[in-house]
Amino acid sequence: KAGVTQTPRYLIKTRGQQVTLSCSPISGHRSVSWYQQTPGQGLQFLFEYFSETQRNKGNFPGRFSGRQFSNSRSEMNVSTLELGDSALYLCASSLGQGDTEAFFGQGTRLTVV
Amino acid sequence: GENVEQHPSTLSVQEGDSAVIKCTYSDSASNYFPWYKQELGKRPQLIIDIRSNVGEKKDQRIAVTLNKTAKHFSLHITETQPEDSAVYFCASNTGRRALTFGSGTRLQVQP
Repeated sequence: KAGVTQTPRYLIKTRGQQVTLSCSPISGHRSVSWYQQTPGQGLQFLFEYFSETQRNKGNFPGRFSGRQFSNSRSEMNVSTLELGDSALYLCASSLGQGDTEAFFGQGTRLTVV
Repeated sequence: GENVEQHPSTLSVQEGDSAVIKCTYSDSASNYFPWYKQELGKRPQLIIDIRSNVGEKKDQRIAVTLNKTAKHFSLHITETQPEDSAVYFCASNTGRRALTFGSGTRLQVQP
């Protein structure tokens, strides 16, 4: 079965712009989580969506937002981009209930110039 | 919320030696503890996981132990090989929230 798909793979944006990233989870998975990964900072949790509802949220400013559609696909939006937003953004999908494995997408590498 | 601490941040071993990475968690409701391996430029991938109803699990050269009383779990890699070089992340979950990850351990296996 198809894995987790993230688009685009690479993005270059200018400070002040906004960006939308997309994540298509594994079929049947209802949970999509987003993480920001920067060198030396590990996997910083942004938010999790389950059945179109934001179930958990990390400690990121309001410029970071997301949503999930009825087919479980999720989008993440970052407005008013800052240089510090340059990172690899990973999404992970899982069944979302009970102790189940999370599968990661390849990530979107965002560079803000 | 949950907090997961991971040590050490870097680990260098000789090929054939063992490597141990340790994590502690804070939420006593956590019941699922996976370990992910991330090679350079690639996505994190699950290598082993353990649930709270067992104390140890082994898969070839990799083993994980869990001490629920002390709230810590560890990854053990025996007979390390150069291809084991990567960043390893521990994580925890209650089943009703996203995984909380440790800060990662960069393992370097010297040939």
